[in-house]
Amino acid sequence: AQTVTQSQPEMSVQEAETVTLSCTYDTSESNYYLFWYKQPPSRQMILVIRQEAYKQQNATENRFSVNFQKAAKSFSLKISDSQLGDTAMYFCAFMKHDGNFNKFYFGSGTKLNVKP
Amino acid sequence: DVKVTQSSRYLVKRTGEKVFLECVQDMDHENMFWYRQDPGLGLRLIYFSYDVKMKEKGDIPEGYSVSREKKERFSLILESASTNQTSMYLCASTSGGRNTEAFFGQGTRLTVV
Repeated sequence: AQTVTQSQPEMSVQEAETVTLSCTYDTSESNYYLFWYKQPPSRQMILVIRQEAYKQQNATENRFSVNFQKAAKSFSLKISDSQLGDTAMYFCAFMKHDGNFNKFYFGSGTKLNVKP
Repeated sequence: DVKVTQSSRYLVKRTGEKVFLECVQDMDHENMFWYRQDPGLGLRLIYFSYDVKMKEKGDIPEGYSVSREKKERFSLILESASTNQTSMYLCASTSGGRNTEAFFGQGTRLTVV
């Protein structure tokens, strides 16, 4: 079974600073996908960034980037130039493709507070 | 834009009631999921469906059932609601392909009194 661990229940960062959210996972799969999702206080979960396990290059999306360490099974999210709108719950997720379906496994989440 | 719509944002039900949570997606996705979200526990999979009339148990199916009669609609049923089912319920959908992401509904906050 796959497990996803987010060891930081809550973090704070000053506006304009950089913050890194940690995520580790456990799997015996060789081909899988990793995601960071954001859930603002309004609750709609949205995708922040994704990484295919077969790609060595770390994914980036504007101010968001990941540090993917496949051997260490680590997938951290770096948010640069933090903005007040980044305040949200962040969930790390692992996905494997299994025949007819995709199965997702989520971490317990990190609540990020961006302070003015 | 992909849309996953849950029928209610807030529900209050009484213990023992039969509760229906509805989810509709407009992207012709094969896979649909129901999660339960509780503080400190993240998202836990209740049931999922990879095609019409097909369903699979997730990690916490006890006390729940599902129905998928049409591709776009996936219903979660609480046969006899209990107070320990008070939670946030999230519906999600994805295509059946490999390189995909999950799209979520806005969530239903269910309170069982």
